[in-house]
Amino acid sequence: EDKVVQSPLSLVVHEGDTVTLNCSYEVTNFRSLLWYKQEKKAPTFLFMLTSSGIEKKSGRLSSILDKKELFSILNITATQTGDSAVYLCAVERNYGGSQGNLIFGKGTKLSVKP
Amino acid sequence: NAGVTQTPKFRVLKTGQSMTLLCAQDMNHEYMYWYRQDPGMGLRLIHYSVGEGTTAKGEVPDGYNVSRLKKQNFLLGLESAAPSQTSVYFCASSYAGDIQYFGAGTRLSVL
Repeated sequence: EDKVVQSPLSLVVHEGDTVTLNCSYEVTNFRSLLWYKQEKKAPTFLFMLTSSGIEKKSGRLSSILDKKELFSILNITATQTGDSAVYLCAVERNYGGSQGNLIFGKGTKLSVKP
Repeated sequence: NAGVTQTPKFRVLKTGQSMTLLCAQDMNHEYMYWYRQDPGMGLRLIHYSVGEGTTAKGEVPDGYNVSRLKKQNFLLGLESAAPSQTSVYFCASSYAGDIQYFGAGTRLSVL
């Protein structure tokens, strides 16, 4: 059975700290791995990773994929209270003969204290 | 720039009632999806569509039906609501099936 496992499930840090969020997966017909940020409502897209070892970066956030060991990490440096959210990892797979199906992890709830 | 719009935002139903959730996207995306999100369970795929007139089952399709009569709309129906269907429902759309853009969600309570 395909699965995506995120760790830790929750994390409390102080502003300025650096955090690393983990995502491991066991998915057949892997196509890509995606990270989303979910605050109050809709998940918003952060990164899509398809190749091992190539870091994607956006401001203080960065992510990398290891397709051999089947995991990805999301790093946030110099955290701010606005980074408080649930971070979702999802793997895109072929499913039912169609591409474009995502299987999600349960998320990591990050709380950044002032 | 509306993106993905879901209606209604909140709804309370009694067991056995029916309702339809509407999702509309203005990005001309082929792919559309319905998920439910429950505490401790993450997002789970209910049904999806890879184009106008097509639908397919996801991981948790029982008790739901969908229709995609127009490319921009994807409807999720509950014929006879049950308390187990209390959840937050998200619609998403995608151009190529990878990066999905989500609506703001519908919070449904079934009493």
